[in-house]
Amino acid sequence: GNSVTQMEGPVTLSEEAFLTINCTYTATGYPSLFWYVQYPGEGLQLLLKATKADDKGSNKGFEATYRKETTSFHLEKGSVQVSDSAVYFCALRDFSGNTPLVFGKGTRLSVIA
Amino acid sequence: EAEVAQSPRYKITEKSQAVAFWCDPISGHATLYWYRQILGQGPELLVQFQDESVVDDSQLPKDRFSAERLKGVDSTLKIQPAELGDSAMYLCASSTGFGNTEAFFGQGTRLTVV
Repeated sequence: GNSVTQMEGPVTLSEEAFLTINCTYTATGYPSLFWYVQYPGEGLQLLLKATKADDKGSNKGFEATYRKETTSFHLEKGSVQVSDSAVYFCALRDFSGNTPLVFGKGTRLSVIA
Repeated sequence: EAEVAQSPRYKITEKSQAVAFWCDPISGHATLYWYRQILGQGPELLVQFQDESVVDDSQLPKDRFSAERLKGVDSTLKIQPAELGDSAMYLCASSTGFGNTEAFFGQGTRLTVV
């Protein structure tokens, strides 16, 4: 079945540092890929998405590129801020059918001033 | 901006009591999901509806959990009787149903069973 593997957290960075959170997936067919963010006590918010190979999703300075050859969708940001502290979830969904999102376990990011 | 509404935000209940959560999806979204998120983990699907029909409830513990979406709009998730291990965040999400689109999440209900 479909699955998502994320790097273990927590990740602690200083403000303005470069961020990478690794995500790899296993899927049949060609899934759509997503990054969601969750702030303390809140639900999940979509951060960015990519629906086909080589697509780059971007939002709020975050980027991720759909790499079919390495089955990866790593999240990057060039300069993190304290306000980026949250839990980040990589997820996938089958493109062809009305199937649910499958999530990774999440990576907690803490950014210190 | 349209949002998924959930209530209550927080619920504390005693073991063996019944508890219910409500969700109102974004208008026009035919697909509704209930996820459970245990602290420190990713969300796991409990049940998926397409309109009023259950599409997938394979991970729903049916001996104590039930879910309904009678008119294909809002939905209720019930637990009876609640157990200590049910303490978690219960998230509702909705989508248009197409594979290349995202799901939109509500703020969740934090359940604590004591």
